[in-house]
Amino acid sequence: RKEVEQDPGPFNVPEGATVAFNCTYSNSASQSFFWYRQDCRKEPKLLMSVYSSGNEDGRFTAQLNRASQYISLLIRDSKLSDSATYLCVVNWSYKLIFGSGTRLLVRP
Amino acid sequence: DAGVIQSPRHEVTEMGQEVTLRCKPISGHDYLFWYRQTMMRGLELLIYFNNNVPIDDSGMPEDRFSAKMPNASFSTLKIQPSEPRDSAVYFCASSSPDSSYEQYFGPGTRLTVT
Repeated sequence: RKEVEQDPGPFNVPEGATVAFNCTYSNSASQSFFWYRQDCRKEPKLLMSVYSSGNEDGRFTAQLNRASQYISLLIRDSKLSDSATYLCVVNWSYKLIFGSGTRLLVRP
Repeated sequence: DAGVIQSPRHEVTEMGQEVTLRCKPISGHDYLFWYRQTMMRGLELLIYFNNNVPIDDSGMPEDRFSAKMPNASFSTLKIQPSEPRDSAVYFCASSSPDSSYEQYFGPGTRLTVT
């Protein structure tokens, strides 16, 4: 079983749509949680951290459920520029464990 | 402010040749990570250093791979001898003592072994 599992997609949505990505992780000792974004043929970049209380950054909302070992990312009012691969990431002992990513395509 | 610098950006080599990938972390960052990304396996951590000392190399695939960090501003990942299955994008990342969980990635080296 992979340590971090994500639906690979692709999610193909129109501009303005709301889209949600989910992720599960297997190591209950994981200490912190993140979403990274990776554009085609580019390096991953931190999108946002994920906190148990839930957190929001503009159109992006992240949620963590430690009991279920489940992480989510919600994107509202999606833009063409949101097209990318979204990587669910957990941290354990200074190591980041990456999911394989969910690809999002936003069409005009 | 310069980010993580990697060289070369692209490398094409023949099976059996030695390959050396280079990384310069962000100044002041004391953690350095080497990752490999493929379509099949995604992004995998190979090894990481703290204050130039290797801390965890459990992700290094086999003895053909070695990594060094002779000083705070330079690291190398070497593959000898290279094999076609080593073809991948290799990323270097660094993080600071104040935010060890946020890693800044370099642009990657795209390696093709024929």
